[in-house]
Amino acid sequence: DAKTTQPPSMDCAEGRAANLPCNHSTISGNEYVYWYRQIHSQGPQYIIHGLKNNETNEMASLIITEDRKSSTLILPHATLRDTAVYYCIARFASSYKLIFGSGTRLLVRP
Amino acid sequence: NAGVTQTPKFQVLKTGQSMTLQCAQDMNHEYMSWYRQDPGMGLRLIHYSVGAGITDQGEVPNGYNVSRSTTEDFPLRLLSAAPSQTSVYFCASSYSGTGNRYYGYTFGSGTRLTVV
Repeated sequence: DAKTTQPPSMDCAEGRAANLPCNHSTISGNEYVYWYRQIHSQGPQYIIHGLKNNETNEMASLIITEDRKSSTLILPHATLRDTAVYYCIARFASSYKLIFGSGTRLLVRP
Repeated sequence: NAGVTQTPKFQVLKTGQSMTLQCAQDMNHEYMSWYRQDPGMGLRLIHYSVGAGITDQGEVPNGYNVSRSTTEDFPLRLLSAAPSQTSVYFCASSYSGTGNRYYGYTFGSGTRLTVV
């Protein structure tokens, strides 16, 4: 699975969009990009995943660049409850393993 | 539908003791995994299973054993507890693949283990 690189921390104001970047320059054609988050000491929570098309669900949007070397997770209207560590993971669809990196600690300010 | 259930939630062990952390899921998921998370750190994969009777090692398997005799259960055994195994342990499960049944891994609420 390709290595991903994320900034260690970010912050945004409540009600504004939070844009979390992820670099995966060595990703291969059949690796998906997954996003999870971990709020405080809870178990991680799946957010969204995609291969090459942009994806949107009730939680977030995922924008993947055309060359697939990077992606951005967008929380359109961040709330205080979105304060968490966000993990970007590259993984083959057939892979059995989900390997976490160090993630981005997002702080949403009142 | 309870999701992923981990027991116990808290445990204190003495060095050298053995114990089993329990994990059960009722979603008929093929994949199950165990992770540990040390304070201020990310999650590290200990062992995983792709189905009943099939297990494999993750990033940090030493000191732990697993078995998967049923689809529902994936217990983690600490053979001889050491203070370095003080951590929060998370169990997770998922459908295989990425099709329309895939909603990512579902994680349990964790077991907080202290070895003294």
